Amino acid sequence: AQRVTQPEKLLSVFKGAPVELKCNYSYSGSPELFWYVQYSRQRLQLLLRHISRESIKGFTADLNKGETSFHLKKPFAQEEDSAMYYCALKLGRGSTLGRLYFGRGTQLTVWP
Amino acid sequence: DAGVTQSPTHLIKTRGQQVTLRCSPKSGHDTVSWYQQALGQGPQFIFQYYEEEERQRGNFPDRFSGHQFPNYSSELNVNALLLGDSALYLCASSLGLNMNTGELFFGEGSRLTVL
Repeated sequence: AQRVTQPEKLLSVFKGAPVELKCNYSYSGSPELFWYVQYSRQRLQLLLRHISRESIKGFTADLNKGETSFHLKKPFAQEEDSAMYYCALKLGRGSTLGRLYFGRGTQLTVWP
Repeated sequence: DAGVTQSPTHLIKTRGQQVTLRCSPKSGHDTVSWYQQALGQGPQFIFQYYEEEERQRGNFPDRFSGHQFPNYSSELNVNALLLGDSALYLCASSLGLNMNTGELFFGEGSRLTVL
């Protein structure tokens, strides 16, 4: 069965420190992975997707198929990065299963 | 563009009652998905509607049903409410059944409390 695991429910760092939010998945096929973010009093929104290989707001994430991981990283955290982050899995390109499997989320707090 | 809009934002029901939640997708989107988010958990997929038909369903009982209208708006109905149905219900819209870009646009949710 498909599963997304975010081992840390809470993560706190100081401003300027590096941050890594962990995400592991279980899926035997070729997945698509995403990070969604929810800032305080805002709706859930897409942060980045692995196929785009993009850096958004200084965040990057690399899909490691060997370790089945998709960790989200930022070298220097900012206070405005404080939010709830969800890792999500979609079952492969071309799949008609257009649904996402979400992890439970990690609440990131960046202290000044 | 107002994005995805949901109503009501909050509601309280008692066990055994029925509830209907409504969703209007982002302009230009034709696919609507519903997710349940229990406290402290990530969103869980309930079902997806496209061309007025249920296309996929997650692991939810038949008490959960839905509908999509010709204007792409959607309703989620839950019958015989249980305490465990208390959650935030999120509507998400996308373009196309396969969600090719992988991006879902979410509403702010309807928070249901069952007493």
